[in-house]
Amino acid sequence: QKEVEQDPGPLSVPEGAIVSLNCTYSNSAFQYFMWYRQYSRKGPELLMYTYSSGNKEDGSFTAQVDKSSKYISLFIRDSQPSDSATYLCAIRGNQFYFGTGTSLTVIP
Amino acid sequence: GAVVSQHPSRVICKSGTSVKIECRSLDFQATTMFWYRQFPKKSLMLMATSNEGSKATYEQGVEKDKFLINHASLTLSTLTVTSAHPEDSSFYICSALGQGRAGGLEQYFGPGTRLTVT
Repeated sequence: QKEVEQDPGPLSVPEGAIVSLNCTYSNSAFQYFMWYRQYSRKGPELLMYTYSSGNKEDGSFTAQVDKSSKYISLFIRDSQPSDSATYLCAIRGNQFYFGTGTSLTVIP
Repeated sequence: GAVVSQHPSRVICKSGTSVKIECRSLDFQATTMFWYRQFPKKSLMLMATSNEGSKATYEQGVEKDKFLINHASLTLSTLTVTSAHPEDSSFYICSALGQGRAGGLEQYFGPGTRLTVT
């Protein structure tokens, strides 16, 4: 079993939609969870990080961690075409583990 | 803060030649840097972990004699692709380990280098 599993998509939504991106992980000892956004032909940039269960908001983004289910989510409210990118979840244990990324397209 | 640069951003080379890619942490010191390879529509594949002043640690299946890594200072790591072949064409991304905003360490990524071997 991989340390982190992520649905690769692609995901296509209309502008203004709420987007839900999800990952599952295997090791209940993992403590630090991150979401990266990667535009085409660019390096990933850190979008959000959490290190506990619950929700964390930053602008139109909400990161959610459910440690009991080993499930992490990123929600994007009022999605815009500029949100079109690949979103990677990542977890830091004794090393960094990355999901495969979900490709998102927001259609105007 | 926490900016990582890569140079060049794009390079085209002929088969059999060597190419060097630089990764710099611009405003912080990084004892550890990572080198990744990314194929189109695929996730990051860790190639090696580079530690300043010591030999790099390569992931299984990555040829250390082909992908030479040098981490000579706290702000610079280089990846040299030796005797490049078309199958080495890819997007190479480095990251540097730095102090995170919530405590602990985070990876800060460079913008990537697109290598095309003809």
